[in-house]
Amino acid sequence: ETGVTQSPTHLIKTRGQQVTLRCSSQSGHNTVSWYQQALGQGPQFIFQYYREEENGRGNFPPRFSGLQFPNYSSELNVNALELDDSALYLCASSPGTGLGYTFGSGTRLTVV
Amino acid sequence: DQQVKQNSPSLSVQEGRISILNCDYTNSMFDYFLWYKKYPAEGPTFLISISSIKDKNEDGRFTVFLNKSAKHLSLHIVPSQPGDSAVYFCAATRGGADGLTFGKGTHLIIQP
Repeated sequence: ETGVTQSPTHLIKTRGQQVTLRCSSQSGHNTVSWYQQALGQGPQFIFQYYREEENGRGNFPPRFSGLQFPNYSSELNVNALELDDSALYLCASSPGTGLGYTFGSGTRLTVV
Repeated sequence: DQQVKQNSPSLSVQEGRISILNCDYTNSMFDYFLWYKKYPAEGPTFLISISSIKDKNEDGRFTVFLNKSAKHLSLHIVPSQPGDSAVYFCAATRGGADGLTFGKGTHLIIQP
């Protein structure tokens, strides 16, 4: 049974650019959620996808968007990058919309 | 407005003794509470959870206590081992598509 894998592990982007982060869910998991963890903070919920539809969203602007594919893998897209977007982005999958979240190791995004 | 608070950024405990990590919350709508452990360069790993209808849950060396009237929960680790050194996050959720609300974490250091 494979866990949650994220790519890339590290990324440097320039302010104003766009970025796409990728996540492969754990086998059998149909729900994926994304979190942003800034330095010294706990992870903050961005949004959740269940069976390819966004069904929950935290307090993030529309320039944070996502996709979930039929194989339950997922993308997080961030447009018009700002310096404050520099953070660790974590993907978590679960077998339903309840608990049982398994986290990936994250993508470290640096915006310069 | 931080809905989940971990007021101790760090805690140092001697090996073999009890580690007690504390967490306070403000949202009375939370139904489930979880503890995650995080090592550097890894994603958070689920440790133990508790439903709001219970006041205690045990799993091996880990016990979580919930005091709903005080909106307070704690994680007890007995006995503490060197491998327990990590950052511990308290998280809460209403379930469903609401995602997890995390505290800022407590860095637990187990001293030999």
